[in-house]
Amino acid sequence: GAGVSQTPSNKVTEKGKYVELRCDPISGHTALYWYRQSLGQGPEFLIYFQGTGAADDSGLPNDRFFAVRPEGSVSTLKIQRTERGDSAVYLCASSSSTGYGPRDTEAFFGQGTRLTVV
Amino acid sequence: SQKIEQNSEALNIQEGKTATLTCNYTNYSPAYLQWYRQDPGRGPVFLLLIRENEKEKRKERLKVTFDTTLKQSLFHITASQPADSATYLCARGEAAGNKLTFGGGTRVLVKP
Repeated sequence: GAGVSQTPSNKVTEKGKYVELRCDPISGHTALYWYRQSLGQGPEFLIYFQGTGAADDSGLPNDRFFAVRPEGSVSTLKIQRTERGDSAVYLCASSSSTGYGPRDTEAFFGQGTRLTVV
Repeated sequence: SQKIEQNSEALNIQEGKTATLTCNYTNYSPAYLQWYRQDPGRGPVFLLLIRENEKEKRKERLKVTFDTTLKQSLFHITASQPADSATYLCARGEAAGNKLTFGGGTRVLVKP
């Protein structure tokens, strides 16, 4: 597709379970970002990939959160032992930023995965 | 940490008027600011970018300013239309690193 695709669009899980959220970025975009957005707030940075490597994971809240991007395209955000406080919309974005040139290139966001932990 | 503050109160405005949104930042000036529009249930959509050395940028009915003295950016929607109703997000980016720090957004409601 032409845009950033995230699956599933909605995920309900029980407290303590493991979840995986998937992101398909725009083809050719080497930069990929994960953000988390709670109701009524702006997106909060989690992690940034440049190619296959996590260039900045300073936003991951704790070691229950992990993300991978093994082939430099699709990324998976993994959350272990989910807690009710993890409930939020998880947004993925990609951009054409290479990490060497201009850093202010626009980010293209997916529509997010709404995670509800019950 | 660097913060971005936006007015959390919704802005109600009459169609045809100019909507003005405020984005204030703390500490040092960001290398750039980006403005995004977000509709309910959707991801943010990029609107405008303004860099630290720029005073003003325009795109169609949109205008953004960057005042490093006041540590503030203003976002204007001129000749507002009901279709402009959405939440508008301000985000700061730094010279080093690629992450954006977002404000909480301001909801705009344009009444016909």
